[in-house]
Amino acid sequence: KQEVTQIPAALSVPEGENLVLNCSFTDSAIYNLQWFRQDPGKGLTSLLLIQSSQREQTSGRLNASLDKSSGRSTLYIAASQPGDSATYLCAGGPYTDKLIFGTGTRLQVFP
Amino acid sequence: DGGITQSPKYLFRKEGQNVTLSCEQNLNHDAMYWYRQDPGQGLRLIYYSQIVNDFQKGDIAEGYSVSREKKESFPLTVTSAQKNPTAFYLCASGTGVSYEQYFGPGTRLTVT
Repeated sequence: KQEVTQIPAALSVPEGENLVLNCSFTDSAIYNLQWFRQDPGKGLTSLLLIQSSQREQTSGRLNASLDKSSGRSTLYIAASQPGDSATYLCAGGPYTDKLIFGTGTRLQVFP
Repeated sequence: DGGITQSPKYLFRKEGQNVTLSCEQNLNHDAMYWYRQDPGQGLRLIYYSQIVNDFQKGDIAEGYSVSREKKESFPLTVTSAQKNPTAFYLCASGTGVSYEQYFGPGTRLTVT
């Protein structure tokens, strides 16, 4: 059964730091991988999607990569800001239409 | 404005009552999903539908039911058979091309 682990579970950093959030799958057979952001009490906002033929995606200060051989993904946040404070979730899996979610990394960026 | 709406935002029910959560999307997506989120756990899939009048059970379908009579709508009923219904419920929709999923704002259900 596919399981997803996100490390670290929580992170507190000063503004301006470059951050790396990690996500690993027990089964490396991943079709698509999505990174989401969730603010407290809110729904999920899609940040980046890495499709089956891709290895990485970039949007602004965010960069996500996927190593299918190891089943690991990394979300890189450059020059972090207090507005980046949220929980970050990765999700993926071997199926085209079903995602398996990690438990998230809770990020706090302080001024 | 395109997006996914869920209503209500908060819902309170007594134990033993069925309750229906609404999910509507105007993104013209074929697929729709219901997830449950509990503190400290990842999202878990309850039901999903890839096309109108068809749906499949997810990992935790027991005690829940759905319908998909219209492309835009995918309501979830939490029945009295669900042993621990208090949770945050999230609806999502997705395209059949990239399979990217988009989420609604969620409904927090409290059953006492």
